[in-house]
Amino acid sequence: EIVLTQSPGTLSLSPGERATLSCRASQSVRRNYLAWYQQKPGQAPRLLMYGASSRATGIPDRFSGSGSGTDFTLTISRLEPEDFAVYYCQQYGSSPPLYTFGQGTTLEI
Amino acid sequence: QVQLQESGPGLVKPSQTLSLTCTVSGGSISRGGSYWSWIRQHPGKGLEWIGYIYYSGITYYNPSLKSRLTISVDTSKNQFSLNLTSVTAADTAVYYCAREFRFGDGFDYWGQGTLVTVST
Repeated sequence: EIVLTQSPGTLSLSPGERATLSCRASQSVRRNYLAWYQQKPGQAPRLLMYGASSRATGIPDRFSGSGSGTDFTLTISRLEPEDFAVYYCQQYGSSPPLYTFGQGTTLEI
Repeated sequence: QVQLQESGPGLVKPSQTLSLTCTVSGGSISRGGSYWSWIRQHPGKGLEWIGYIYYSGITYYNPSLKSRLTISVDTSKNQFSLNLTSVTAADTAVYYCAREFRFGDGFDYWGQGTLVTVST
């Protein structure tokens, strides 16, 4: 099983600042099948990025993803008030369980 | 616009079976290439993938739940369902259904989630 470890656990920033969130995998992620989600209280997660660096439909270009192998990063270039939420990374692997999620990073003001 | 909606009891007694249905609208569940998953989130915790089904009926389950889990599909109703047997308080969670448009491309559409509490 591939374990995803996200850091930091909590990130405190202000609107307009740059946010850098990390996701580290215990083994290499197959074909960079790494996705990022944003979740706000009481809502379902929202897909932000897939394939490590492809933005999902409708996601603003201030969100970007990078990385390969075991180290991945989600960057939010200029934080907007609506960006404060919990962020999860998720990988699809060849060994069960097929999909695993990181424990989440809380982005707070 | 694809929409998913979970339905089912919000309260289940210990040792009984948790049954949920996800109704898909705005798109056909029989569309080849898409995978339909159940994902849960324990209160205040992270996300756990439960399993998926393909429209043909092919399933893949999380090994931690496999012995208690059945996911099925009804293409005529554009629905897929989850049955989890012998539930305990540890199965209390918000249950989401979600679509993966193509294998490995992330879950692009989610239901709103339904809280299932296991309690007497």
